[in-house]
Amino acid sequence: DIQMTQSPSSLSASVGDRVTITCRASQSISSYLNWYQQKPEKAPKLLIYAASSLQSGVPSRFSGSGSGTDFTLTISSLQPEDFATYYCQQTYSSPITFGQGTRLEIK
Amino acid sequence: QVQLQESGPGLVKPSETLSLTCTVSGGSISSYYWSWIRQPPGKRLEWIGYIYYSGSTNYNPSLKSRVTISIDTSKNQFSLNLSSVTAADTAVYYCANYQRTTGYYAFDYWGQGTLVTVSS
Repeated sequence: DIQMTQSPSSLSASVGDRVTITCRASQSISSYLNWYQQKPEKAPKLLIYAASSLQSGVPSRFSGSGSGTDFTLTISSLQPEDFATYYCQQTYSSPITFGQGTRLEIK
Repeated sequence: QVQLQESGPGLVKPSETLSLTCTVSGGSISSYYWSWIRQPPGKRLEWIGYIYYSGSTNYNPSLKSRVTISIDTSKNQFSLNLSSVTAADTAVYYCANYQRTTGYYAFDYWGQGTLVTVSS
């Protein structure tokens, strides 16, 4: 199985901050990397697919980059509604696996 | 807009079979892949498996011996059976659409999730 490791596991930031979350795969996954946002008691929401493509309807302050084993999710200017848990996910090979999540909290 | 809704018992006894159904509305189930994903309390998401509308399946090897996913295109539903459950199977279970966009797959539409507790 491909292991997905996110860092940090938790992060405190303020509204307006620029935030970067990192995801590392245990082997190369090309660009088969997605990012999801999950708020408490809600289903995950797709933000970024194919490492850097913005899902329809997602604000442009979200961006993704990377390929191979190292990927980043960047939020350019945090808004109050962005405080949530973020997960990366690989679809390069079966089984599909997720990172452990990064909890983004208000400072 | 595709919508998914999970249904099934919220409490299952140890050693019994967990059975859930996902009803798809706002679109036809006769395309794409349809998946089950779970999230134990406080833990990461775990992919269980998916089914194509034709009936072909792919399961997570960690659960493969206990999992069956089936599809009923006439009802626009797909289902999950997980046998011989233990407390470790307690989780929120999500159904989701696994869709391909420009050659890359992702879970696009999700159900709201349903908590299943395994306890006697």
